[in-house]
Amino acid sequence: ELKVEQNPLFLSMQEGKNYTIYCNYSTTSDRLYWYRQDPGKSLESLFVLLSNGAVKQEGRLMASLDTKARLSTLHITAAVHDLSATYFCAVAGGTSYGKLTFGQGTILTVHP
Amino acid sequence: DSGVTQTPKHLITATGQRVTLRCSPRSGDLSVYWYQQSLDQGLQFLIQYYNGEERAKGNILERFSAQQFPDLHSELNLSSLELGDSALYFCASSRGGNQPQHFGDGTRLSIL
Repeated sequence: ELKVEQNPLFLSMQEGKNYTIYCNYSTTSDRLYWYRQDPGKSLESLFVLLSNGAVKQEGRLMASLDTKARLSTLHITAAVHDLSATYFCAVAGGTSYGKLTFGQGTILTVHP
Repeated sequence: DSGVTQTPKHLITATGQRVTLRCSPRSGDLSVYWYQQSLDQGLQFLIQYYNGEERAKGNILERFSAQQFPDLHSELNLSSLELGDSALYFCASSRGGNQPQHFGDGTRLSIL
């Protein structure tokens, strides 16, 4: 059974600082997704990572994928308050190709 | 706006009752997915339909069932409701392949 683990689960950052969220998964997959969720809201797609070494960047967020290590990272550069949200990684595969297995989520709070 | 429409937004009902949640996918998306989000279980995949046929199943309870209709909208039926079924139920749709799943705003189900 595919398992996805994120760390840290809680992240309190100061504005302007950098930090990385890690996403580890247990079985081979070549599709990994990052989503953002604001409190009480839906999930918004951030990145789609499809191959080993893939790197995607949007604004202050950069995501990467290492399929050999079964690891993805979401790097936050010079955090701002608007980035406060819960971030999920999700891995496709396991027993069903269309199924996404989500990590627990990382609750990010950016302080002034 | 993801383009995925879920109704109703909120449902309050009692134990033992039956409810139906409805989802209209984005225009052109053939795949529909249902997820359950709760504090203790996180985001759990329930079931996927593709163009009217069941494609993948997760840890969906026998009391739950779903279907996708010829116009591609989907319904999730929950019966013999228990307190533990209280959760946020998301529908997502995608064009398939490696495309990300786009999530609706969810239906918040409260069992009293």
